[in-house]
Amino acid sequence: DQQVKQNSPSLSVQEGRISILNCDYTNSMFDYFLWYKKYPAEGPTFLISISSIKDKNEDGRFTVFLNKSAKHLSLHIVPSQPGDSAVYFCAATFMNRDDKIIFGKGTRLHILP
Amino acid sequence: DTGVSQNPRHKITKRGQNVTFRCDPISEHNRLYWYRQTLGQGPEFLTYFQNEAQLEKSRLLSDRFSAERPKGSFSTLEIQRTEQGDSAMYLCASSLFVGYGYTFGSGTRLTVV
Repeated sequence: DQQVKQNSPSLSVQEGRISILNCDYTNSMFDYFLWYKKYPAEGPTFLISISSIKDKNEDGRFTVFLNKSAKHLSLHIVPSQPGDSAVYFCAATFMNRDDKIIFGKGTRLHILP
Repeated sequence: DTGVSQNPRHKITKRGQNVTFRCDPISEHNRLYWYRQTLGQGPEFLTYFQNEAQLEKSRLLSDRFSAERPKGSFSTLEIQRTEQGDSAMYLCASSLFVGYGYTFGSGTRLTVV
């Protein structure tokens, strides 16, 4: 019963182009969504988040879009840089209940020179 | 403040042995979480504490697993009678409030041989 789904295990993007990572969720009660980035041998690090009352949040090169009707969110990275090569986890939670965060399986992003 | 600290970083143990991991959260964070990550999966929730109270345990946490957080500071996760299926990365995270996201430690990689 995977509540947060990342259907692309990996993605390769040319340096300087846009990287788009996708995520779907099944529980319409989720009200807060997060993206984490993970390098090998390190713990995940928080990247960007979005509340369900918004449809877009931007932070520098990173933008997260939320489509509640489709239960879909995406992370856009532009321009992509070599240091962006990592595993990206989509996550969701019930902030109105101050509940735990539920993670997807991750997408490995490769930035090609 | 050096973030969330986990010890040891790596642990190799023989099947049937007991192991204990330690997590030192960010000092002002009252919430502490344990997650487990296996290859190709995202972090899976195990348990969490608010101060010294253990508020939720996942069904993944069998009776061989026990976690404590005495005095609401550091936490330990013990696995008794380890099995090969326990081999994973065990991640600890802390936060003030789930809406701020978690700060993860670097994890403890357990290998059961």
